[in-house]
Amino acid sequence: GAGVSQSPRYKVAKRGQDVALRCDPISGHVSLFWYQQALGQGPEFLTYFQNEAQLDKSGLPSDRFFAERPEGSVSTLKIQRTQQEDSAVYLCASSSRDHNQPQHFGDGTRLSIL
Amino acid sequence: AQTVTQSQPEMSVQEAETVTLSCTYDTSESDYYLFWYKQPPSRQMILVIRQEAYKQQNATENRFSVNFQKAAKSFSLKISDSQLGDAAMYFCAYRSQTSYDKVIFGPGTSLSVIP
Repeated sequence: GAGVSQSPRYKVAKRGQDVALRCDPISGHVSLFWYQQALGQGPEFLTYFQNEAQLDKSGLPSDRFFAERPEGSVSTLKIQRTQQEDSAVYLCASSSRDHNQPQHFGDGTRLSIL
Repeated sequence: AQTVTQSQPEMSVQEAETVTLSCTYDTSESDYYLFWYKQPPSRQMILVIRQEAYKQQNATENRFSVNFQKAAKSFSLKISDSQLGDAAMYFCAYRSQTSYDKVIFGPGTSLSVIP
């Protein structure tokens, strides 16, 4: 596609449920990033993939958060046993191998935990 | 670790006037990129302008320009001839040139444009 696509756009879940958020990066982009954006704040880094390899997961807030990119394209961010503090917008971004090129962001998934 | 600070949570500007958004950052690196992103209510993060730290010349994109002061670690955004469509959250951001390119964002400035 022309841009980074994320689904669903909105997700409402009850506390304790598991959720899965999907990111389709721009075709050919080797780098993929997940960010978490709390209400009224700037995005914060969660994790980074280069192709299928997860090279940095230092931003994941707990072991309830898990991300994968098994074929080096589509990525899924999974949150287990959701808690209210997980409510946020989750942004995905991708970029090419050319380090001079900026990241392209998707529209994000707004997750609300009740 | 690098940090980005935006000291103006909210700003407003009259339509057709000029406004400047402030940003400071902290880093021990000499080579890096700086960005201004715009995020309207649609949530999409839109790149407004970027600056390479090794370039002394300030970047300009149509009505948007920056004042990059490397020694002071300051990176302000000037919007000229403000338009209603400029109303959004503006994030200053930093990206290292080393290793991979994780972006570090500031807390944002909410810009309102008054007709």
